[in-house]
Amino acid sequence: GQNIDQPTEMTATEGAIVQINCTYQTSGFNGLFWYQQHAGEAPTFLSYNVLDGLEEKGRFSSFLSRSKGYSYLLLKELQMKDSASYLCAASNQAGTALIFGKGTTLSVSS
Amino acid sequence: DVKVTQSSRYLVKRTGEKVFLECVQDMDHENMFWYRQDPGLGLRLIYFSYDVKMKEKGDIPEGYSVSREKKERFSLILESASTNQTSMYLCASSRTGTNEKLFFGSGTQLSVL
Repeated sequence: GQNIDQPTEMTATEGAIVQINCTYQTSGFNGLFWYQQHAGEAPTFLSYNVLDGLEEKGRFSSFLSRSKGYSYLLLKELQMKDSASYLCAASNQAGTALIFGKGTTLSVSS
Repeated sequence: DVKVTQSSRYLVKRTGEKVFLECVQDMDHENMFWYRQDPGLGLRLIYFSYDVKMKEKGDIPEGYSVSREKKERFSLILESASTNQTSMYLCASSRTGTNEKLFFGSGTQLSVL
């Protein structure tokens, strides 16, 4: 089967660092995606990992361990505008479509 | 700017009505997808298409059908709307390939009364 797990909610303060974890089980793995979704808006692409290791993109980094079925999204120097849902996604069994986790709602306070 | 456009932002329909949700993309993408998003359940895949006139069932296809007569347009059809189909519906598109990112439309909030 396939399963993607991530925490439901997280809170943090401005300027802090937060790590959002994602574990996945899928036999058609072709890489791990992270999307950001602000309330009332469409999800937007943040990052993609297919090889093990850390990919850094400004304040955001994403890590993947294929052997452990584990990924995390690291957000540094948090800003209020980072308050959003963060969605972890991986390929379905056939490798033809993305299956999403339920999303982690991050609240950043001052 | 690349775009995925969904025809309606909000829609209210009655139980038993036939409902059409339209999605158009201007990026010449081969793949198109329909998801629904519900609180606590996240995004769930209903149907997708990787070519004109082709369709594949996702995880929750029951009660839905789709149509893809032209490459740029992918329609989701609720044959007989029911209250449990009240949801946010998101259309997305991507290029062919297993690591291509999805571009999403703004969504249609459908309420079935």
